[in-house]
Amino acid sequence: KAGVTQTPRYLIKTRGQQVTLSCSPISGHRSVSWYQQTPGQGLQFLFEYFSETQRNKGNFPGRFSGRQFSNSRSEMNVSTLELGDSALYLCASRSGTGGSNTEAFFGQGTRLTVV
Amino acid sequence: KNQVEQSPQSLIILEGKNCTLQCNYTVSPFSNLRWYKQDTGRGPVSLTIMTFSENTKSNGRYTATLDADTKQSSLHITASQLSDSASYICVVTSGGSYIPTFGRGTSLIVHP
Repeated sequence: KAGVTQTPRYLIKTRGQQVTLSCSPISGHRSVSWYQQTPGQGLQFLFEYFSETQRNKGNFPGRFSGRQFSNSRSEMNVSTLELGDSALYLCASRSGTGGSNTEAFFGQGTRLTVV
Repeated sequence: KNQVEQSPQSLIILEGKNCTLQCNYTVSPFSNLRWYKQDTGRGPVSLTIMTFSENTKSNGRYTATLDADTKQSSLHITASQLSDSASYICVVTSGGSYIPTFGRGTSLIVHP
C-alpha cells in the first residue's frame, strides 16, 4: 500500500509569489491534515480536511488555505509568500473518520524556500 | 495558551544505554498525548498514544508514561541502537478543539 505522497519535494519561490503544494493520502483515507515545520517554531498545525470539508484550522493567517478533492487528494496554497514561510510542509492522512486517536501517517514533506 | 515543553533539547548517549525524554504540557482539556519519532528528512512516525486513563504504553524498546495529574509524560528508550538517532516529538491534542500542540522535540544522537 503506497504511503502519503507529497509533491513537489523541493520548491524555491520568490517573496510575493504564491505556491500550491499537493498531498495524496493513503488509499481509503479521507482525513488529510497539513503542518508547517520550522527550526524556530517546530511543528505547527495548519488545517485538517475530511470529505472535502475543512474540519479544523490552526492559528495561521488567511494567506494559508487549502482544499480537498472528492478523491481525498488535498492541496495547500500560500499566497503573497514571505521569507518566514520558508519551512518543511508536511501532510498526514488518517483512516476512518480521522479522529485524533487515530494514527496519522505523514508524508516526507515539501521543503519550501522563499528568497 | 496551550503549550508543550520538552527536555532535554538534545541528548547524546552511547549505543546500548537507556535514556528518558520528558514532556510537560498545559493543554486543556486533554484528549490524548502521542510521541513521534522523526528521522532526518522524513515525516514523523507515531510511537505511542495515550488517553487520559492510560499511564503506560509500550512499543518494543519504547515505553511512554503519562501522569495526567501533573501533566507530564516521559519516553523511555531501552538498549538504544544507532537507528534511534532522531528527533522525538511530544504532541498533545486538545479535547475541545481537537487541535494538536507540538513540542519542539528532543534531538537524540546514539554513538557507537
